[in-house]
Amino acid sequence: DTQMTQSPSSLSASLGGRVTIACRASQYIGRDLNWYQQKPGKAPKLLIFGASTSEGGVPSRFSGAGSGTDFTLTITSLQLEDVATYYCQQSYATPRTFGQGTKVELK
Amino acid sequence: QVQLQESGPGLLKPSQTLSLTCTVTGGSISNDDDFWTWIRQQPGKGLEWVGCVSNSGSKFYNPSLESRVSMSLDTSKNQFSLHLRSVSAADTAVYYCARDTFDTVTAELRRYFDLWGRGTLVTVSS
Repeated sequence: DTQMTQSPSSLSASLGGRVTIACRASQYIGRDLNWYQQKPGKAPKLLIFGASTSEGGVPSRFSGAGSGTDFTLTITSLQLEDVATYYCQQSYATPRTFGQGTKVELK
Repeated sequence: QVQLQESGPGLLKPSQTLSLTCTVTGGSISNDDDFWTWIRQQPGKGLEWVGCVSNSGSKFYNPSLESRVSMSLDTSKNQFSLHLRSVSAADTAVYYCARDTFDTVTAELRRYFDLWGRGTLVTVSS
């Protein structure tokens, strides 16, 4: 199985601040890396697929980068509605696997 | 628009079989390129892929659950199902159904989970 490791596990940032979440795969996954946002009591929502392509309707402050084994999700100007847990997920192979999640809070 | 909705018992006793159904509305589950998926989330924990099934007959299960899990598709009802045998407290989780599809915009054919049900909590307790 491909293990996905996110860092940090949690972070706090100011409104308007920049947030970067890292995700590392235990083996090569090309650009088959997706990012999801999950708010309490809700299903995850797709933000980014193919490492860097934004899903329709996702604010432009969210961006993804990386390839191979190392990836990042960046929020350029944190908004109140961005408080959530973020997960990376690889779609290179089965079993599909997720990172453990990064909880983003407001400072 | 396409929507997914999970249904099934919310409370089970240890050793029983968990059976959940996901009903898809607004679209068809007959596309051979889509994988209809179950994902679970134990209380306060992260997301765990359980497995998926497609109309083409392909089935893939998480190796950690493979000995206890089975999935099926019913195109006449536009539903797919999950069965998990011999449950224990460790199977207590919110179970989500989702669609694993691929991108048709960038032509790179990347796959992702684009649609999710709201999730259903299944508690295993004696």
